[in-house]
Amino acid sequence: GDSVTQMEGPVTLSEEAFLTINCTYTATGYPSLFWYVQYPGEGLQLLLKATKADDKGSNKGFEATYRKETTSFHLEKGSVQVSDSAVYFCALSDQRGSSASKIIFGSGTRLSIRP
Amino acid sequence: SQTIHQWPATLVQPVGSPLSLECTVEGTSNPNLYWYRQAAGRGLQLLFYSVGIGQISSEVPQNLSASRPQDRQFILSSKKLLLSDSGFYLCAWSVKAGGTDTQYFGPGTRLTVL
Repeated sequence: GDSVTQMEGPVTLSEEAFLTINCTYTATGYPSLFWYVQYPGEGLQLLLKATKADDKGSNKGFEATYRKETTSFHLEKGSVQVSDSAVYFCALSDQRGSSASKIIFGSGTRLSIRP
Repeated sequence: SQTIHQWPATLVQPVGSPLSLECTVEGTSNPNLYWYRQAAGRGLQLLFYSVGIGQISSEVPQNLSASRPQDRQFILSSKKLLLSDSGFYLCAWSVKAGGTDTQYFGPGTRLTVL
């Protein structure tokens, strides 16, 4: 079945460092890909998404490109801030026609940014 | 704009007691609705989803049940809680097929079973 694998955390960086969180997926169809972020004690927020190959999702300085040839959707940010400290989830969506879409989540990567 | 509410925010219950968690969505009609559980330090597990009133699909067999009595209301229940039911419960909604398949999450309910 479909699955998502993302790098294990925790990841600890200094402020203004470059961030990459790796994510690869396995899917039989053509899924949409997502990054969600979860701040401490809160629900998940959609960070960015891409719906087809070579699409680039971007938001708040974060970017990820849908790479079909490598089945990857790595999250990047050029200069992280302390406020970016959170858990990041990579996910894919298997749209099921008229029924509900099923999102498969990776296990999450905890990111901590030092001032 | 659409908003999703969950309550209570935090709940501490003894083993064997009943449970009722509520989720409501505003600003949209006929959404798909979802219940997830997140165990401490773990990823998300889809528990139930619903494509309409009274229509519930269960993803994993367990001690919990779900109901959708109204279009924008989704309830998670248990008759007798187990220690293993502790976790962070998240409700989510999405637009029906034909639109975006993005799911939008509520703030969550943290359940501790003692």
